[in-house]
Amino acid sequence: EVQLVESGGGLVQPGGSLRLSCAASGFTFSSYWMSWVRQAPGKGLEWVANIKEDGSQKFYVDSVKGRFTVSRDNAKNSLYLQMNSLRAEDTAVYYCARYSGDDSFQYWGQGTLVTVSS
Amino acid sequence: DIQMTQSPSTLSASVGDRVTITCRASQSISGWLAWYQQKPGKAPQVLIYKASRLGTGVPSRFSGSGSGTEFTLTISSLQPDDFASYYCQQYISYPLTIGGGTKVEIK
Repeated sequence: EVQLVESGGGLVQPGGSLRLSCAASGFTFSSYWMSWVRQAPGKGLEWVANIKEDGSQKFYVDSVKGRFTVSRDNAKNSLYLQMNSLRAEDTAVYYCARYSGDDSFQYWGQGTLVTVSS
Repeated sequence: DIQMTQSPSTLSASVGDRVTITCRASQSISGWLAWYQQKPGKAPQVLIYKASRLGTGVPSRFSGSGSGTEFTLTISSLQPDDFASYYCQQYISYPLTIGGGTKVEIK
């Protein structure tokens, strides 16, 4: 059974940093692209970042470029999102998802809430 | 960037109704479209991928059609478990973009 479990969310002040983690199991992690997707309270879904199987390619939504960094550790079956210079508008539930060019976001984690507020 | 526009944003329907949600892309995405269902407080789940392929374990009352810029998600006979929000998403090019959502409410 595919499982994705996010952690690392919490309350952070504007301008602060936070690192999210996603622990994957039930599939060969190193064979799949992985993604972060977020959802602000009461709003729709927004794709944030993708990373290739070996970490050699990364893509970001414009609003987080230069502030967020996606990475992975295939030996630990883990995905990460380093978030710096956080803004109030980054407040959201952050989901990790398994991605493929065939069926897009096939599996999702339960999400972790990030709140940026003073 | 490819813009995804869903309509309607809210839909009121009754159990047993046939429901159709439309998604339009600002440029052709061929068939690279997915549909997701999301219930309050839960993660989204894929319903349809490649515009018309049913996700694993998804009931056959859900179907998707379309190509290019116009797509539809149809629920043939609305069930109580189907009251939720629905999102379309293109994955032909980066940035991956998602429609604003359609909330299906009980009439």
